[in-house]
Amino acid sequence: AQTVTQSQPEMSVQEAETVTLSCTYDTSESDYYLFWYKQPPSRQMILVIRQEAYKQQNATENRFSVNFQKAAKSFSLKISDSQLGDAAMYFCALEIRAGNQFYFGTGTSLTVIP
Amino acid sequence: KAGVTQTPRYLIKTRGQQVTLSCSPISGHRSVSWYQQTPGQGLQFLFEYFSETQRNKGNFPGRFSGRQFSNSRSEMNVSTLELGDSALYLCASSPQAGATNEKLFFGSGTQLSVL
Repeated sequence: AQTVTQSQPEMSVQEAETVTLSCTYDTSESDYYLFWYKQPPSRQMILVIRQEAYKQQNATENRFSVNFQKAAKSFSLKISDSQLGDAAMYFCALEIRAGNQFYFGTGTSLTVIP
Repeated sequence: KAGVTQTPRYLIKTRGQQVTLSCSPISGHRSVSWYQQTPGQGLQFLFEYFSETQRNKGNFPGRFSGRQFSNSRSEMNVSTLELGDSALYLCASSPQAGATNEKLFFGSGTQLSVL
């Protein structure tokens, strides 16, 4: 069975500062992908960043980057130079290559303080 | 290109009733999946359809069912509604099933309240 755990239900960060959201996962599969999705108040989930498990290099996307520790099954998201528009619920997700099924964490609600 | 469209956006029902939710995927996308989102539970996978066939099913009771039409539009039905079915129901589409690393494109969801 696959599980995704986000242990921080809520986080806050000052505008322009850096924040890290935590995610751990568990799977016995060796071939998978990891994602961070953002859900603003509009409710529409938006892909922030994704990581292929076979790649050792951490993915980056502008101000967003991940710290992928495969052995520890950890996949944290770092947001640099936080902006007011970053305020949202963030979900960590795991996709197993065989089966094309996604598993989501319970989410972290991020508040950006002006 | 239009995004994933879910209707209605809000729905209020009473216990025992049934409800049907609709999802139109992005044009050309053949895979549609459904998720239930509740506070503290995150997103729980309901089922996935590809080319009118259910490929995967989550751990939900038989009251939850779905189908996909030849134009890839999908409907989800919940019968004999219970208070615990109150949730945001999200639909997501992707170009094809079986080719992983395809990101999911989500709709804005249907907020269902059961009174």
